[in-house]
Amino acid sequence: EPEVTQTPSHQVTQMGQEVILRCVPISNHLYFYWYRQILGQKVEFLVSFYNNEISEKSEIFDDQFSVERPDGSNFTLKIRSTKLEDSAMYFCASTGGMTDTQYFGPGTRLTVL
Amino acid sequence: GESVGLHLPTLSVQEGDNSIINCAYSNSASDYFIWYKQESGKGPQFIIDIRSNMDKRQGQRVTVLLNKTVKHLSLQIAATQPGDSAVYFCAESYILTGGGNKLTFGTGTQLKVEL
Repeated sequence: EPEVTQTPSHQVTQMGQEVILRCVPISNHLYFYWYRQILGQKVEFLVSFYNNEISEKSEIFDDQFSVERPDGSNFTLKIRSTKLEDSAMYFCASTGGMTDTQYFGPGTRLTVL
Repeated sequence: GESVGLHLPTLSVQEGDNSIINCAYSNSASDYFIWYKQESGKGPQFIIDIRSNMDKRQGQRVTVLLNKTVKHLSLQIAATQPGDSAVYFCAESYILTGGGNKLTFGTGTQLKVEL
């Protein structure tokens, strides 16, 4: 069964450093998303991406965040200068159609020291 | 504002019993709702969904009920098993004008299955 994959599973970085979180969505999907989950809290929407453009972003997704689909298979989330409060699980999701169910990857745990 | 919330943070049930997890939503314009299961250290896993033109949908051992009058959603798990122990989230879907849909998650209910 096709699935969303994410790498790395755990990323530790120093405050102020740049990180890139990587995702490989399900191969025939067209819509891509990033969510985050601070420990013990609910999953929060960050950004949606379709047709090589951001279609929506939350207030969390400020100028320090960017997304890219550099090729036909990868979808990345970059945090330019990490802050302590960026520590969280980051989940990638994808869907085939606009109203279809989103399927999530296993997540990347980001720890900012 | 819009919100999706869960009534009970923790639910403990005996193995073999039925479980009911509840969720309240506030946006009456939402037309699609989803239940996700999240095990420790893993991503949300789709369980079942329901569209607003339905009031009940059944899957394998799971049933989702939607009451639009009181804006209430519930997940019923029949014959709960130890493997059902997880956090369960309801989510509300909004279609985005730019493409795709955005999920707003509730805070989650921890289901604990006791042997």
